[in-house]
Amino acid sequence: DSGVTQTPKHLITATGQRVTLRCSPRSGDLSVYWYQQSLDQGLQFLIHYYNGEERAKGNILERFSAQQFPDLHSELNLSSLELGDSALYFCASSGIRGDEAFFGQGTRLTVV
Amino acid sequence: GESVGLHLPTLSVQEGDNSIINCAYSNSASDYFIWYKQESGKGPQFIIDIRSNMDKRQGQRVTVLLNKTVKHLSLQIAATQPGDSAVYFCAENQAGTALIFGKGTTLSVSS
Repeated sequence: DSGVTQTPKHLITATGQRVTLRCSPRSGDLSVYWYQQSLDQGLQFLIHYYNGEERAKGNILERFSAQQFPDLHSELNLSSLELGDSALYFCASSGIRGDEAFFGQGTRLTVV
Repeated sequence: GESVGLHLPTLSVQEGDNSIINCAYSNSASDYFIWYKQESGKGPQFIIDIRSNMDKRQGQRVTVLLNKTVKHLSLQIAATQPGDSAVYFCAENQAGTALIFGKGTTLSVSS
């Protein structure tokens, strides 16, 4: 168990809908990262938050947004969903040094 | 585009053999590298890391080698076991921004 909790584990929704994925980092970790992993693909970096502030953006679509709350949990909002958004979405957290990132078990999103 | 990649998408070995998984990176400013293992349906799991001021680091049955001259990283797994079957990713951390991952190598171990 990495200590990073993601909910829900599975999500099935229709095109055009909006969903929210939730991540609770390891106790004491200030950094939260979101990644997308499509079928047979590597992990694409989406966004990084540190202590409530956005630190870095990767290949995140404008339809996607994220935030990190004062209690350090983070949410990834995906809107106007398309079939191609079906993927595994991972959250990871790391400590002050920002080195090793610990990953949650992911949320599998299926858009139908 | 990606700055981290792996040379081979798949690697098949026999149980007990040593495995070597390779990774090339292109960003010379990267100062920290990690190897992750991902089993089916699970999140990536940390295996071993190395900083750019080192060229070798050993763990339990695993060794990471870093060659900064040619921007190459490798993971060596000794006495590979069926439980080592998974997808292996190398990742680089560029000045503490985020870990950038390559596409991964699928390791299959047959007994």
